[in-house]
Amino acid sequence: SAVISQKPSRDICQRGTSLTIQCQVDSQVTMMFWYRQQPGQSLTLIATANQGSEATYESGFVIDKFPISRPNLTFSTLTVSNMSPEDSSIYLCSVRTSGGSSTDTQYFGPGTRLTVL
Amino acid sequence: GQNIDQPTEMTATEGAIVQINCTYQTSGFNGLFWYQQHAGEAPTFLSYNVLDGLEEKGRFSSFLSRSKGYSYLLLKELQMKDSASYLCAVRGGDDYKLSFGAGTTVTVRA
Repeated sequence: SAVISQKPSRDICQRGTSLTIQCQVDSQVTMMFWYRQQPGQSLTLIATANQGSEATYESGFVIDKFPISRPNLTFSTLTVSNMSPEDSSIYLCSVRTSGGSSTDTQYFGPGTRLTVL
Repeated sequence: GQNIDQPTEMTATEGAIVQINCTYQTSGFNGLFWYQQHAGEAPTFLSYNVLDGLEEKGRFSSFLSRSKGYSYLLLKELQMKDSASYLCAVRGGDDYKLSFGAGTTVTVRA
């Protein structure tokens, strides 16, 4: 399994500001993803973080609002820009590990709970 | 597109068995996952099925039928700590992205 850490674990931010969330994995992984979970809802994929190139965003999410970096195979950041109260959510980093079909799985970090006032 | 359905809520008694069904219609298939999520916490991996059949891990088992687009998670000998939301997620074709169902909230009563 992969051990994933995220910083910060939670934050309260003012409208119009930006927050960068860091995700660190203890081993090299094939794929990293960023998800959002709004209150009382399931997980929605924001984007796939690609190492050394621009992230691949899902419908409804754009780079200007959620810029993502992945400088190496074990680290990624997600920035929530120009925040509004609608961005209040839990943001989760996720990684896919693959050691063959029997061990191919996907793990989630502890999440960052963001509240925008 | 992806369409994943699971019941919203289930209630069971401590020591009993509960089966959570998940049906899916997806463009491509590369595995089905079950996660457990306690309130305020991140999802925890429970199981991964890519071939038809039953996978057993202690008190939890997961079943997959690809031809029917159907899976279930079986929780045996329920304990109070099993009260949580259970998420069914399908990995699509070549892009390895997970699409999640809305989750099933299981409440275990004494």
